[in-house]
Amino acid sequence: EDQVTQSPEALRLQEGESSSLNCSYTVSGLRGLFWYRQDPGKGPEFLFTLYSAGEEKEKERLKATLTKKESFLHITAPKPEDSATYLCAVQAASGGSYIPTFGRGTSLIVHP
Amino acid sequence: DTGVSQDPRHKITKRGQNVTFRCDPISEHNRLYWYRQTLGQGPEFLTYFQNEAQLEKSRLLSDRFSAERPKGSFSTLEIQRTEQGDSAMYLCASSLDRGRSYEQYFGPGTRLTVT
Repeated sequence: EDQVTQSPEALRLQEGESSSLNCSYTVSGLRGLFWYRQDPGKGPEFLFTLYSAGEEKEKERLKATLTKKESFLHITAPKPEDSATYLCAVQAASGGSYIPTFGRGTSLIVHP
Repeated sequence: DTGVSQDPRHKITKRGQNVTFRCDPISEHNRLYWYRQTLGQGPEFLTYFQNEAQLEKSRLLSDRFSAERPKGSFSTLEIQRTEQGDSAMYLCASSLDRGRSYEQYFGPGTRLTVT
């Protein structure tokens, strides 16, 4: 069974204080690993897809990296508007299922 | 393209009533997914369509839940005889089968409260 564990559950940062969120996963062959941002009361917003170990993607202050067992979402010099829940999901390559398994998310609060 | 839309955004119903939600996916997307999300949890898969065919349903999905996607366009999710445990955010997502790209794009969700 595919499993996704995100840590920490919650993270409080001061504006400008860089940090990383972790997503550890167990999957029988990785088709893709996805990062989403979710604001309170809204649907998740797609950020990145990573396909293979060593891959990196960047968007503004966010950088996602991938190894064979985990992914990191690095946040450089965060701003209060980066406050949100960040979700990680994995999609297995085995079988024809396209159903991703989501983690519980990391709730990030950035204080001004 | 305005993205995935869902209607209604909020629904309050009494226990035992039936409710129906609608999802309009991104127009060229052929896959459509329904999820349920409760506070502090990630989205939980309910069911999935490829075009008009319902290909997979969660084993945890009660028989009170049914979904349709007529003509492979919009989709509806119906919950019969609602229970208080059905209170949650119901999310719809769509994706396009395009090579190795499988990311899903979510709608704003429908918040269901069962009293």
